[in-house]
Amino acid sequence: QITLKESGPTLVKPTQTLTLTCTFSGFSLSTSGVGVGWIRQPPGKALEWLALIYWDDDKRYSPSLKSRLTITKDTSKNQVVLTMTNMDPVDTATYYCARGWLRLPFDYWGQGTLVTVSS
Amino acid sequence: DIQMTQSPSSLSASVGDRVTITCRASQSISSYLNWYQQKPGKAPKLLIYAASSLQSGVPSRFSGSGSGTDFTLTISSLQPEDFATYYCQQSYSTFTFGPGTKVDIK
Repeated sequence: QITLKESGPTLVKPTQTLTLTCTFSGFSLSTSGVGVGWIRQPPGKALEWLALIYWDDDKRYSPSLKSRLTITKDTSKNQVVLTMTNMDPVDTATYYCARGWLRLPFDYWGQGTLVTVSS
Repeated sequence: DIQMTQSPSSLSASVGDRVTITCRASQSISSYLNWYQQKPGKAPKLLIYAASSLQSGVPSRFSGSGSGTDFTLTISSLQPEDFATYYCQQSYSTFTFGPGTKVDIK
């Protein structure tokens, strides 16, 4: 059974750095072709892809947010960490992690975690 | 960057209706197009991948077609559990989601 779960703060202040952790089970990030990505969704708005890290440590970022994002993995712990710097109220959203494959869709998703940016 | 558009942005339909949603890419993405269904408060669920392949466990009333820049998601006979928002997503060059199409009850 494949599961993913996001964890991290529910409230961050403007200008702070957000750190989110995706802990997964049922697959290994050492399997060729597999990746774990992050997607967010502001309240009432559309999905936005943020970043993805592949089994070989190849990292891809949304061009519009690249300067603020860092994605890393700990294969032994089955975890992927996303950091986003200089948080702003417009970054308030539900953040999802999901399993992805090279040029294929996100087939398993976490439940999401709502992050609110407010002073 | 590849941009995705969807039409319509919303539609009202009745149970049993045939529903068609269109997705367009700003450049050719071959068949690297996926469709998701999302219900309120829930994570998206993968329905269709590679433009026309049905994800395991998804009812056969869902189908996808298209290639290049123009794609279609069709629900052959709308069921009560199908009222949701549908997103297309390209996976040809990193990833981009469309703006979504909300399907609600007429």
